[in-house]
Amino acid sequence: ETGVTQTPRHLVMGMTNKKSLKCEQHLGHNAMYWYKQSAKKPLELMFVYSLEERVENNSVPSRFSPECPNSSHLFLHLHTLQPEDSALYLCASSQEIEVYSGNTIYFGEGSWLTVV
Amino acid sequence: GESVGLHLPTLSVQEGDNSIINCAYSNSASDYFIWYKQESGKGPQFIIDIRSNMDKRQGQRVTVLLNKTVKHLSLQIAATQPGDSAVYFCAELFGGSNYKLTFGKGTLLTVNP
Repeated sequence: ETGVTQTPRHLVMGMTNKKSLKCEQHLGHNAMYWYKQSAKKPLELMFVYSLEERVENNSVPSRFSPECPNSSHLFLHLHTLQPEDSALYLCASSQEIEVYSGNTIYFGEGSWLTVV
Repeated sequence: GESVGLHLPTLSVQEGDNSIINCAYSNSASDYFIWYKQESGKGPQFIIDIRSNMDKRQGQRVTVLLNKTVKHLSLQIAATQPGDSAVYFCAELFGGSNYKLTFGKGTLLTVNP
């Protein structure tokens, strides 16, 4: 148990559907992240939030829309996805946005997304 | 359970042996490195880190070695146990960013009892 909880763990959606992934961290951290992990590529950073403000959109298509209503919750809204978007989506958090020794990034267990 | 990164380098060792997992990083300006462990069906878990002003750092049963000359990082696991079976990733932090980690593809470690 890392203190970062993601729901749902598995999601199957059609290309015309709208769905959302939810992440909640119970660690009192100020920074939250969305990463994508697919079979063909290493872990990729998608979005970064610090104190509820987005500080990074790593060239992610607009069919992925993040939302951070407060420092404990992070959503990833999904709309008109493509089959190649099927992947494991990982949420993570850290105390501060700067990565350094002692400021570990904690990952959730991920949401497996399949787009059909 | 599920797995990602199906076409990974693999390392198979006997229980009790030492394991060495290697990683070549890409940017000579990177100044901070992390090793993560990812078990099947779980998210990555921090193992150990090292700054670029160090050559070696030791943890509990793990040691990370950094060779900046050849941009090479290794993770040594002593007395490998079945619970060490997982995918291991290295990650580097470019000098120009304070949060943008770049991850390696990973190595699948299998420990045989």
